[in-house]
Amino acid sequence: DTEVTQTPKHLVMGMTNKKSLKCEQHMGHRAMYWYKQKAKKPPELMFVYSYEKLSINESVPSRFSPECPNSSLLNLHLHALQPEDSALYLCASSLRLAGAYEQYFGPGTRLTVT
Amino acid sequence: KNEVEQSPQNLTAQEGEFITINCSYSVGISALHWLQQHPGGGIVSLFMLSSGKKKHGRLIATINIQEKHSSLHITASHPRDSAVYICAVSQGTSYGKLTFGQGTILTVHP
Repeated sequence: DTEVTQTPKHLVMGMTNKKSLKCEQHMGHRAMYWYKQKAKKPPELMFVYSYEKLSINESVPSRFSPECPNSSLLNLHLHALQPEDSALYLCASSLRLAGAYEQYFGPGTRLTVT
Repeated sequence: KNEVEQSPQNLTAQEGEFITINCSYSVGISALHWLQQHPGGGIVSLFMLSSGKKKHGRLIATINIQEKHSSLHITASHPRDSAVYICAVSQGTSYGKLTFGQGTILTVHP
């Protein structure tokens, strides 16, 4: 299984809602990533987890809260988002953090904040 | 100046043409990645390379470490190759962080 899955594919939420994005991989990868991508722009790194511990937070607002409950699962909890947070949210995983390893990306969740 | 620069930004080709996309970088790297993204879709890793040349089907990627330059070639292009191609670099001390180029939008007409 060389796949990263993400659910849901699409999400529309109001500014007062609480929702979660889910990412799963069963490749035994120990590094997992959240990216945000706006239209016609490259992805921007948000968070990096290594061995289920948060390694990098790229100064992301606290309305985004990541969680890595086990080595296969990565969540992104959303609360009180702004319309400018509408974007494609991509999850990725790689074998390890240190060194150079190929990153496997999921299909993304298209988020619209109304 | 961006650490990773791609050219061209937009590329239009006729089916069957040979295509080249270039990537230059200004930082020390542990590897260079070529990624493909179809409209509205997720990202697929095409190549990761740190030296020389790699080939997969009609795709060829080369890297010149001394010149800090990489190229992605597509032979016998097809409309299904239409996508955004992104060059990204990983640096040894950057905890897996990828630094991305701005992407090249490729459109192949039948």
